Amino acid sequence: NAGVTQTPKFRVLKTGQSMTLLCAQDMNHEYMYWYRQDPGMGLRLIHYSVGEGTTAKGEVPDGYNVSRLKKQNFLLGLESAAPSQTSVYFCASSYSSGLPYEQYFGPGTRLTVT
Amino acid sequence: EDKVVQSPLSLVVHEGDTVTLNCSYEVTNFRSLLWYKQEKKAPTFLFMLTSSGIEKKSGRLSSILDKKELFSILNITATQTGDSAVYLCAVPRGSTLGRLYFGRGTQLTVWP
Repeated sequence: NAGVTQTPKFRVLKTGQSMTLLCAQDMNHEYMYWYRQDPGMGLRLIHYSVGEGTTAKGEVPDGYNVSRLKKQNFLLGLESAAPSQTSVYFCASSYSSGLPYEQYFGPGTRLTVT
Repeated sequence: EDKVVQSPLSLVVHEGDTVTLNCSYEVTNFRSLLWYKQEKKAPTFLFMLTSSGIEKKSGRLSSILDKKELFSILNITATQTGDSAVYLCAVPRGSTLGRLYFGRGTQLTVWP
């Protein structure tokens, strides 16, 4: 099993450009999450999904959109990138039953917006 | 407002030392507290604690939760250079059980 994979690993954007980050998991997890991590900060939740076709806002959703058209994929979009969105982005997934909950993280995407 | 505060923010020790990392929290409807280790990539799960006084152990790492005083500690004995990492504490928040709120982490550096 590959676990959680993210594409791309690195990206440099110019202000105003758009892009989509792809997260895929092969563990049949219901829940999926997008986080960002900035230097000296913990992980902050951007958006999450509790199942195919559903999405919800996390702590820092502004400037991002997400879609979960298939259970195994969770896409994070930046419509008009800003320098403040320079960060490392992590995707994670978890089961939906039982106590919370070990989240399995992808390797991260390092995004720089100039 | 929910809070997760970790201390210290950074710590430098030598191999063989014992370290204690702290995590205090304020969250409505507490259910559990999780510890993660993050090296230069994705966080990996260490422990989940749900009951006070129950110590979780995995080799040289152990953790305990105090639900009355609202904190948890992570102990690492006989530290090794491979323990160098950021240690993150997290608690679930809101009605979605898997939605985690992370602290800023403690950067542990172990010198040979």
